[in-house]
Formats: sequence, C-alpha cells, structure tokens
Amino acid sequence: NAGVMQNPRHLVRRRGQEARLRCSPMKGHSHVYWYRQLPEEGLKFMVYLQKENIIDESGMPKERFSAEFPKEGPSILRIQQVVRGDSAAYFCASSPVREETQYFGPGTRLLVL
Amino acid sequence: AQSVSQHNHHVILSEAASLELGCNYSYGGTVNLFWYVQYPGQHLQLLLKYFSGDPLVKGIKGFEAEFIKSKFSFNLRKPSVQWSDTAEYFCAVRDDYKLSFGAGTTVTVRA
Repeated sequence: NAGVMQNPRHLVRRRGQEARLRCSPMKGHSHVYWYRQLPEEGLKFMVYLQKENIIDESGMPKERFSAEFPKEGPSILRIQQVVRGDSAAYFCASSPVREETQYFGPGTRLLVL
Repeated sequence: AQSVSQHNHHVILSEAASLELGCNYSYGGTVNLFWYVQYPGQHLQLLLKYFSGDPLVKGIKGFEAEFIKSKFSFNLRKPSVQWSDTAEYFCAVRDDYKLSFGAGTTVTVRA
C-alpha cells in the first residue's frame, strides 16, 4: 500500500509565477489536509478537503492560494503570483475518516527566487 | 486553537544516552496527541499517539510518551538512543481534524 505521494519534491519558481503542488492520498483515504512549514517553525494547517469539497480553508491565505480535490486525480494546491515569503515546505496528509490518524507525504519544498 | 510548545530546539546526545523531549499544549478537554519524527530527507512518520486509556503510550523504535492531563504535557522518552535516532521530532495536538504542531526539536546523536 503506497503512502501519500507528493510531487514535485522540489520546486523553484521566480516571483510572479504560479506553483502547482500535487498530492495523492493513500489508497482508501478520502480526506486530505495541507500544511505549510516555514523555516524554524512547526507545520501550520492550511486547508482540509474531501472529494470535491473544501471543508475548511481557514488556514490558507485569502489571496493567491487555492486548493482542490477533484473526483478523479490528486489534490492540487495552487499558488498564483508567488512571492519570496511563499518559500516553505508544503506537506499533504490523508486519513480514511476525519477522526483518524493523518499520514503525511514527503512534502514539496518550494523556493521562490 | 491549540498551541503546542516544545521545550528544546536542539538536543545533542551520545549513543546509549537517555532522551526526553518535552511537549505542552495550551488547553484541556478531550485531546488527541501525537509525536511525529522526520528523518533527514524523509517525510513525517508517526511515532506514537494517544487518544484515550493508558496514559503511558508505547510507540515504534523503543519510544514511549506519557500523557499528564494536569500538566497539559505529553513528553517523549527513549531510554537508550542510537545514532539512527538523529532526526527532527514534532509534537502535535489534534483539535477535531486540525493538527497543531510544535516548532520541533532537532535531535543529534553522536556515535
């Protein structure tokens, strides 16, 4: 049973470009969570999605950031017009139901030049 | 929202030494508590978790943690560390579905 997959593992963007981060949950998991880790800090909750629904996006910046989890395919975290402050590690986690343990992917390390 | 504090930013130990990492969370009620570990270049892995029951929880790789409700603490311990325990350790508290993480403790074990 493959774990949570994220790609790319590393992403370099110039200011103003778009970043697309992908997350494939573990098999049988329909709940996906995105977290961001800034340097020297712990992971911070961004958004919680189920298939085709955003349940809670309270941790996500209102502008430039969006997330989706379509019926088919991976969850996507999209950052438009990236700025240097978006440089961070972005982790995706999944669980079979919301009360259960979240399992994490390897993360995508975004560097904005 | 919960806040989680981890007492040590960086711990350096020799092999066979005992390890204890502190973790405190901000408020009570029913909480689910976790310790995750991130080995160099790898993703976060679950070490152990506490939902209810026996407050002394045993995890993988010889780790254990003790939930002390009156102190809002969930400290991680290992009696004898190995070089392979070099990693970053994160304490987390779940409030409904949101995990709140501490800033992490980097543990370096010297051979």
